[in-house]
Amino acid sequence: SQTIHQWPATLVQPVGSPLSLECTVEGTSNPNLYWYRQAAGRGLQLLFYSVGIGQISSEVPQNLSASRPQDRQFILSSKKLLLSDSGFYLCAYSSGRAGTGELFFGEGSRLTVL
Amino acid sequence: LAKTTQPISMDSYEGQEVNITCSHNNIATNDYITWYQQFPSQGPRFIIQGYKTKVTNEVASLFIPADRKSSTLSLPRVSLSDTAVYYCLVGDFFYNQGGKLIFGQGTELSVKP
Repeated sequence: SQTIHQWPATLVQPVGSPLSLECTVEGTSNPNLYWYRQAAGRGLQLLFYSVGIGQISSEVPQNLSASRPQDRQFILSSKKLLLSDSGFYLCAYSSGRAGTGELFFGEGSRLTVL
Repeated sequence: LAKTTQPISMDSYEGQEVNITCSHNNIATNDYITWYQQFPSQGPRFIIQGYKTKVTNEVASLFIPADRKSSTLSLPRVSLSDTAVYYCLVGDFFYNQGGKLIFGQGTELSVKP
């Protein structure tokens, strides 16, 4: 069966510190992968998406980056966090041409930058 | 890329039918329409997907007119547990696995006793 995991679930970081959020998918090959961010009381903002290893499309400011070192691994990073980076980060995947078109989400990572 | 527009919020009472409409005027030929439900501190959850006409599953119905420029999610006999944010998402899920998928602002549904 297909599953998606992301971690850590919760973290509190000081301004200017680095960030690494990791997401892994099981049970499917060559998925499209996504990172979304949700600020308090707001909608889902697309940060990055990837259609294959090493292929990253960015929709966001420069202090965040994403990497896809393996087919089913997606990492969100920052060298120096800003206060505005606080939010709920969600990793998601879609599973390909034979799939239902459904987007599957991880459990989320809540980041608080102080 | 099809942009979606939904009402920001809706109120309803338990037992009523709720219809949430989404506009997507520039939907492309290969685009499918998908609806998601999100509870606080959770990722969105798939509800239903369609291409045209009507689709029904155990939790909802989706109505899509012939021009496909809008769609309506229908929730029959809502309960308090249906209080959530509902998102309409349009994308080329089958030929492009979705590609760039941008959620709209969503509709916050509040169900009252």
